[in-house]
Amino acid sequence: AQRVTQPEKLLSVFKGAPVELKCNYSYSGSPELFWYVQYSRQRLQLLLRHISRESIKGFTADLNKGETSFHLKKPFAQEEDSAMYYCALKPQVDKLVFGAGTILRVKS
Amino acid sequence: DVKVTQSSRYLVKRTGEKVFLECVQDMDHENMFWYRQDPGLGLRLIYFSYDVKMKEKGDIPEGYSVSREKKERFSLILESASTNQTSMYLCASSLPNLREKLFFGSGTQLSVL
Repeated sequence: AQRVTQPEKLLSVFKGAPVELKCNYSYSGSPELFWYVQYSRQRLQLLLRHISRESIKGFTADLNKGETSFHLKKPFAQEEDSAMYYCALKPQVDKLVFGAGTILRVKS
Repeated sequence: DVKVTQSSRYLVKRTGEKVFLECVQDMDHENMFWYRQDPGLGLRLIYFSYDVKMKEKGDIPEGYSVSREKKERFSLILESASTNQTSMYLCASSLPNLREKLFFGSGTQLSVL
């Protein structure tokens, strides 16, 4: 079964604190994983993908095949990071499976 | 910049009505998708299309159908709307093999009364 699990519906942190948004996946093949973000009143957009191994807006995510995880991390949260974050799995060529999403609230 | 345009931002319909949700993209993308977005459930794929006149069922196709007569346009049809179809509907497009990324529309919030 192809499944993405984001265990936290809401994560609330103070500005300047570290952030970790959890994502676990279930997939028998070689996974491609992504993080998408939706800021208030904006469209859902790609934040980063594991194959790029990039840091976007200070966020990074490492694929851990042993733990089947792809957690999103940022060392110091900023208020503008407040948004809905979705982890997504690409199990086949042209399809994405999304998790339930985590709302990140960064308090001042 | 890629534009995915959904014709309505808000829509209110009655139970049993036939509902059309329209989506147009301007980047000549082969792939188009319809998702519904519900709190606590995330995005769930309803239907997708790799090319004109072809369609594939997603994870929750029941109660929906689609039409892709032209490459740029992908319509979602609710044959007989029901209250459990009240949701935010998101259209997306992409290049083949999801090269680059999914480009999303701004969504249509459908309420079925």
